[in-house]
Amino acid sequence: QQQVKQSPQSLIVQKGGISIINCAYENTAFDYFPWYQQFPGKGPALLIAIRPDVSEKKEGRFTISFNKSAKQFSLHIMDSQPGDSATYFCAASQGAQKLVFGQGTRLTINP
Amino acid sequence: NAGVMQNPRHLVRRRGQEARLRCSPMKGHSHVYWYRQLPEEGLKFMVYLQKENIIDESGMPKERFSAEFPKEGPSILRIQQVVRGDSAAYFCASSPIHAGLDNYGYTFGSGTRLTVV
Repeated sequence: QQQVKQSPQSLIVQKGGISIINCAYENTAFDYFPWYQQFPGKGPALLIAIRPDVSEKKEGRFTISFNKSAKQFSLHIMDSQPGDSATYFCAASQGAQKLVFGQGTRLTINP
Repeated sequence: NAGVMQNPRHLVRRRGQEARLRCSPMKGHSHVYWYRQLPEEGLKFMVYLQKENIIDESGMPKERFSAEFPKEGPSILRIQQVVRGDSAAYFCASSPIHAGLDNYGYTFGSGTRLTVV
């Protein structure tokens, strides 16, 4: 019940395209859903986060869509750029005390 | 405004030795979290500490692993008698007491990569 399942494991998108990464969770007590971006040799960096009282949050080219009834949330990267090539992790927590991470998606943007 | 500082960045230990990983939280942050990342996997929660208190250690292996966050100085993750399976990247994160509505201020360090040979 503490798991967060993330898909796909890897994703290749052409420059300018839309990258979409999906996550699903079971624990309905989760109330915070962040996305992290990680470059090789670096720690995860917070990209964008959402609370379950909203269905969508947009920051620049990054959008989180949240479906509370389906217990799913997704990250959309519009106009994907080669600099977006990284590993992306979704996560969830209850009260933001400890994060449960998805398995990660390795995104490659082809120029 | 320095971020979360972890050292060393890389640590090589022989089987049976002890590994000590250090984490200095961001200024003003009093909560520290340790996570472990195995190759090609997501991060797994290990332990959550406040100054002089362990709040949640539900992710810590029962043996050989311990963590502390003393009143003065960095948080320490200690692994005794290391085995090959301990090889991983260990990340520390910190957050302030009062988190904002949209951002819990959860900031990760760059990690310590432990290799057991």
